[in-house]
Amino acid sequence: EIVLTQSPATLSLSPGERATLSCRASQSVSSYLAWYQRKPGQAPRLLIYDASNRATGIPARFSGSGSGTDFTLTISSLEPEDSAAYYCQQRFNWPPLTFGGGTKVEIK
Amino acid sequence: EVQLVESGGGLVKPGGSLRLSCAASGLTVSNYNMNWVRQAPGKGLEWVASISSSSSYTYFADLVKGRFTISRDNAKNSLYLQMNSLRAEDTAVYYCAASITATGLFDYWGQGALVTVSS
Repeated sequence: EIVLTQSPATLSLSPGERATLSCRASQSVSSYLAWYQRKPGQAPRLLIYDASNRATGIPARFSGSGSGTDFTLTISSLEPEDSAAYYCQQRFNWPPLTFGGGTKVEIK
Repeated sequence: EVQLVESGGGLVKPGGSLRLSCAASGLTVSNYNMNWVRQAPGKGLEWVASISSSSSYTYFADLVKGRFTISRDNAKNSLYLQMNSLRAEDTAVYYCAASITATGLFDYWGQGALVTVSS
């Protein structure tokens, strides 16, 4: 099973600041890494797939990078509505499909 | 617009059974791999099960293997999760999710159904 480790657990930033979220895989997942946003009371939403491709309708301030074992989700300029939990997920080697533990982004 | 609507959640005693349904609109479930993902209170997302577009293949997380089954009804454009021998640790919000772009990717999600396993 591929284990995904996300850091930091919590990120507290002000509107307009840049957020950098990390996801590290226990073994290579090539580029088969996705990012999801989860707001309380809402369904999760796909943000990025295959490491760097934005899903339909996702604002350009969200970008993904990385390959192999190290990946980054960057929110270039935080908006208040970006307050959420963010999860990475791999589909390179499954079952099982696995998620990281999540990073909670708080907007000051 | 794609919509996935789960139903069938509720309170069940340990050892009991429950069947979740996911009604789809805006997409044809028979054309895509479909999935169930859950989130326990205070925990992260956890993949539960997947079914291939042909229904020829089903996959399960080890924690639910042998207790849960996944199926679909193409005529009703719906996905199901039959959960037997439920345990307290199965308590979670269960989401139906569709893999549209690629297998193993969760493009669209429902709002979720809460399953509580407690005596």
